[in-house]
Amino acid sequence: NAGVTQTPKFRVLKTGQSMTLLCAQDMNHEYMYWYRQDPGMGLRLIHYSVGEGTTAKGEVPDGYNVSRLKKQNFLLGLESAAPSQTSVYFCASSYSRGANNEQFFGPGTRLTVL
Amino acid sequence: KNEVEQSPQNLTAQEGEFITINCSYSVGISALHWLQQHPGGGIVSLFMLSSGKKKHGRLIATINIQEKHSSLHITASHPRDSAVYICAAPLTQGGSEKLVFGKGTKLTVNP
Repeated sequence: NAGVTQTPKFRVLKTGQSMTLLCAQDMNHEYMYWYRQDPGMGLRLIHYSVGEGTTAKGEVPDGYNVSRLKKQNFLLGLESAAPSQTSVYFCASSYSRGANNEQFFGPGTRLTVL
Repeated sequence: KNEVEQSPQNLTAQEGEFITINCSYSVGISALHWLQQHPGGGIVSLFMLSSGKKKHGRLIATINIQEKHSSLHITASHPRDSAVYICAAPLTQGGSEKLVFGKGTKLTVNP
């Protein structure tokens, strides 16, 4: 099993460009999450999904959109990138959502917006 | 005020030392997570615990729900333990639940 994979691993964008980050999991997990990690701050939830075809906003959703067309994939889109979106993005998945369920993380995508 | 506070922020130890990292949270929770982030960036879950103590190899996690405090201990520390250790607590807001993460403790173990 590959677990949780993310593509790409690195990306540099210019302000105003768009891109999509892809997250894939092969554990048949219902729940998937997108986080961003910035220096001096804890991981912050951008959007999450509780199942195929569903998405919900997290703590810092502005400037991002997501889609979960297939259970195994969770896409994070930036329509018009801004320097404030320079960050490391982590995708995670879990069997169910709740305090007692372990989240499995992808390797991260380092995004720089110039 | 962050709902999950970790201390210390940075910790340097010599190989073989006993390490303690602390996590305090301000909300009532049912369980707490400890995670490890490797220097390469990958994040793995170490423990989820709701009471008492859990042990995995040289790592021990304890929690006191009443005092809203958890500790992660590493016995006989080794340079390969060098990583950022993160605690996270579930928080329910507006009917939905999410994990709130601490800022992490960066541990460096020197040979």
